[in-house]
Amino acid sequence: DGGITQSPKYLFRKEGQNVTLSCEQNLNHDAMYWYRQDPGQGLRLIYYSQIVNDFQKGDIAEGYSVSREKKESFPLTVTSAQKNPTAFYLCASLSGTGYTGELFFGEGSRLTVL
Amino acid sequence: RKEVEQDPGPFNVPEGATVAFNCTYSNSASQSFFWYRQDCRKEPKLLMSVYSSGNEDGRFTAQLNRASQYISLLIRDSKLSDSATYLCVVTAPGSARQLTFGSGTQLTVLP
Repeated sequence: DGGITQSPKYLFRKEGQNVTLSCEQNLNHDAMYWYRQDPGQGLRLIYYSQIVNDFQKGDIAEGYSVSREKKESFPLTVTSAQKNPTAFYLCASLSGTGYTGELFFGEGSRLTVL
Repeated sequence: RKEVEQDPGPFNVPEGATVAFNCTYSNSASQSFFWYRQDCRKEPKLLMSVYSSGNEDGRFTAQLNRASQYISLLIRDSKLSDSATYLCVVTAPGSARQLTFGSGTQLTVLP
């Protein structure tokens, strides 16, 4: 079955540690996204990538980094520079071209900083 | 002013009721519009796209009003299973690949 796989689902981190969240898709989509969601809030864009080896900052990129070495993979690193990293992180890929298309999400990763 | 604004609710309605949500967007050049549904502690999933002429899918009707810059979602004969948060999504002008989410409207359908 095609889809997006995020891991881990739950992650605990000590302050000052970097952590990498995995996102893999087998939908053959070019565009991939990372969002952050805080309780009772909408999704805020961290980074997005429209093609391999290229990515753009979203609205809240500070303290995060990404790579896009393969079409299928778009990992997100939460660095120690991110001041409030506890949140629900969602990875997505976009089907279609132009202005249409559906976002397909992974099941998310819940990061808690202890 | 936020790019995409929604009434956060919560909307608590009895089964069988009709409920409507609005979503306003600030940029008149926005191109595409969508409603996503998010269940508690789950990922969002596409409910329906919103077309200029309006569109219907069973009990759900979506409408776009470009002049007033809002989209709406109407749910008729609401079911317990409709309880969720409904997210409005708008594409960013100049970039079809960047989408902006509203903060969501929470709906609870009561027995």
